[in-house]
Amino acid sequence: QSVLTQPPSASGTPGQRVTISCSGSSANIGSTTVNWYQQVPGTAPQLLIYGNNQRPSGVPDRFSGSKSGTSASLAISGLQSEDEADYYCSAWDDSLHGWVFGGGTKLTVL
Amino acid sequence: VQLVESGGGLIQPGGSLRLSCAASGFTFSTHLMHWVRQVPGKGLVWVSGITKDGRVTTYADSVKGRFTISRDNGKDTLYLQMNTLRPEDTAFYYCAREGDYCSGGRCYSTGFDPWGQGTQVTVSS
Repeated sequence: QSVLTQPPSASGTPGQRVTISCSGSSANIGSTTVNWYQQVPGTAPQLLIYGNNQRPSGVPDRFSGSKSGTSASLAISGLQSEDEADYYCSAWDDSLHGWVFGGGTKLTVL
Repeated sequence: VQLVESGGGLIQPGGSLRLSCAASGFTFSTHLMHWVRQVPGKGLVWVSGITKDGRVTTYADSVKGRFTISRDNGKDTLYLQMNTLRPEDTAFYYCAREGDYCSGGRCYSTGFDPWGQGTQVTVSS
């Protein structure tokens, strides 16, 4: 059972907008920033969003992040087939004194 | 910028293994570093982290007292000494660099980037 809660799956058709939620608590999301990672099966994770809504260089602006209270969201607009991957949220947890991840959301592009 | 893990393999329960993560393309000593593991088909689990100077280390409860993270800034290498290994430690182990920026007396994480390609650890008799 992951400390951060994500839906196990999400889907959309090319061109659509999809959002993935991440729910936590006052010990993690509620007190610090959220990062998001994309992992294509068989490869290492890659940083997608940091600091709730900042994109590293090279990440398309189709990807955006937001945070409100103890929840965060990742939005992907203009969905493309190459976006099919697993997505993970992450944050520092003050109670556990460590980093926590969501269980991951498998995105399928129909 | 590259991270390359090594040292994984098949080990019997109760045994020990040391993972290494060789860094290149950036100033290793100016970054926090971490180990994250993943059981195939499952999610990411943070294992351990270490400060830039190696003085402060943190661990997930599941490995506390059994695993030791360390670094050699002269060799640009991160280590994970794993003792008293259990079957549930079987996973793919990634090392990752954490970026940060400091402002107004407080430091903020810019996430884990990049990650190494990982090394497989299998604990089985």
